[in-house]
Amino acid sequence: QQQVKQSPQSLIVQKGGISIINCAYENTAFDYFPWYQQFPGKGPALLIAIRPDVSEKKEGRFTISFNKSAKQFSLHIMDSQPGDSATYFCAASRQTSGYALNFGKGTSLLVTP
Amino acid sequence: NAGVMQNPRHLVRRRGQEARLRCSPMKGHSHVYWYRQLPEEGLKFMVYLQKENIIDESGMPKERFSAEFPKEGPSILRIQQVVRGDSAAYFCASSPSAGRGTDTQYFGPGTRLTVL
Repeated sequence: QQQVKQSPQSLIVQKGGISIINCAYENTAFDYFPWYQQFPGKGPALLIAIRPDVSEKKEGRFTISFNKSAKQFSLHIMDSQPGDSATYFCAASRQTSGYALNFGKGTSLLVTP
Repeated sequence: NAGVMQNPRHLVRRRGQEARLRCSPMKGHSHVYWYRQLPEEGLKFMVYLQKENIIDESGMPKERFSAEFPKEGPSILRIQQVVRGDSAAYFCASSPSAGRGTDTQYFGPGTRLTVL
C-alpha cells in the first residue's frame, strides 16, 4: 500500500506566487523526509530534507513544514518561477530500513509567466 | 566529481529477452538502491545493496529480477524474459556508508527500458 500520500496531483501557479504541496504518512518509524525535484527525462534531484525533531526548514525559496503529531509535511515554494515547473516527490524513510525511500505519487507543478 | 552513472540510458528489448542495467555509484559511496518508475506513477523501491551483499530486496518481484553489487565494478539489475509490463524508467541511487549524509540518496539519470 502507498505509505506516503501526496496531494495535489497537479498544480498551476502564477509566477511570483506560492506553490504548496502536501504529504501525509502513517508509519511513525519514519525519521527522514526528503523532497525531490524531477524534470522530464531526468533523474530525481534532492531539493531539501527534514528530520522529525524540527518543525520547519528553509533553504532559499524552499521551505518544509513538518507536523509530527498530524504525521504531515509540506513543501512551500515561495516566489515561484517558470523554471520551477517540474514534478515534485515527497518521500519518507527510516534508518532501520537503510533509508530506502517510500515516495509519494508526485505533483506536477506548472508555473505560468 | 562525477555523479551516479547509469548505462545504457535507453534500452529496447523484445519480449523474452534479457535486460541488464548498470549503475556506478558516486565516488566514495558503497550503498546502492534501485527504483522503478512506471509511466504517470511515482518511484517504487526495488532493492538495496552494499558491496557484495543484498540488504533488502523486499520491493523486487520474486521472479525474473535479480540484482548484484560486486566487489569490483558497477551494480547490475538484471531482468530475464522481459514482458511489456517491465517497460519503465529504472533509477539507481547511491549514498555513503558512514559519516554525515548516510540518509541522503543521489540519483542517476535512469535507464528507460522499452519492451516491444
